[in-house]
Amino acid sequence: AQSVAQPEDQVNVAEGNPLTVKCTYSVSGNPYLFWYVQYPNRGLQFLLKYITGDNLVKGSYGFEAEFNKSQTSFHLKKPSALVSDSALYFCAVRDIGGYQFYFGTGTSLTVIP
Amino acid sequence: KAGVTQTPRYLIKTRGQQVTLSCSPISGHRSVSWYQQTPGQGLQFLFEYFSETQRNKGNFPGRFSGRQFSNSRSEMNVSTLELGDSALYLCASSLERAVNTEAFFGQGTRLTVV
Repeated sequence: AQSVAQPEDQVNVAEGNPLTVKCTYSVSGNPYLFWYVQYPNRGLQFLLKYITGDNLVKGSYGFEAEFNKSQTSFHLKKPSALVSDSALYFCAVRDIGGYQFYFGTGTSLTVIP
Repeated sequence: KAGVTQTPRYLIKTRGQQVTLSCSPISGHRSVSWYQQTPGQGLQFLFEYFSETQRNKGNFPGRFSGRQFSNSRSEMNVSTLELGDSALYLCASSLERAVNTEAFFGQGTRLTVV
């Protein structure tokens, strides 16, 4: 069975500081991991994905994620947070057999001016 | 290129009624999936269509159904609505059915059952 966990419901960070949103995964086989962001009353926007290759994945809007196989983690990072980054962030894994996404419970990020 | 379009954006229905939601995927995308988002259960997979055929189905009762047309547009239907069906319903389209492919989501349809 495939699953992801987001251990933090809420993350607060000051504008200009680096941010990290945590995600751990549990999969059978190779992991296919994704990050999405959701703004209020909107759908999910794709940020980045890890399929294979480099452990550091670069995505949209200056976000990047670090894949760590030994720790089964896929943390989302950004060197310098913006107030506009405040949103709900979801980590997800693609199921190998059925192709559906299994989403984490989401982390609400607030960037404080 | 236009994104995924879902209509309507908001719906209010009465318990026992039925509802149909519509989704137009990104041009050229052949896979359409539906997800239900609620505060209590989070994001849950409903079903996926590819080439007009349901390829996968989540753990939802038979009151939830869907279909896909030859132009890849998709509809989902919920019959005999219950209060617990109140949710944001999200449609996602992908170019192909593949584990390495990202999905693009519409803005969702907010369904309220009263």
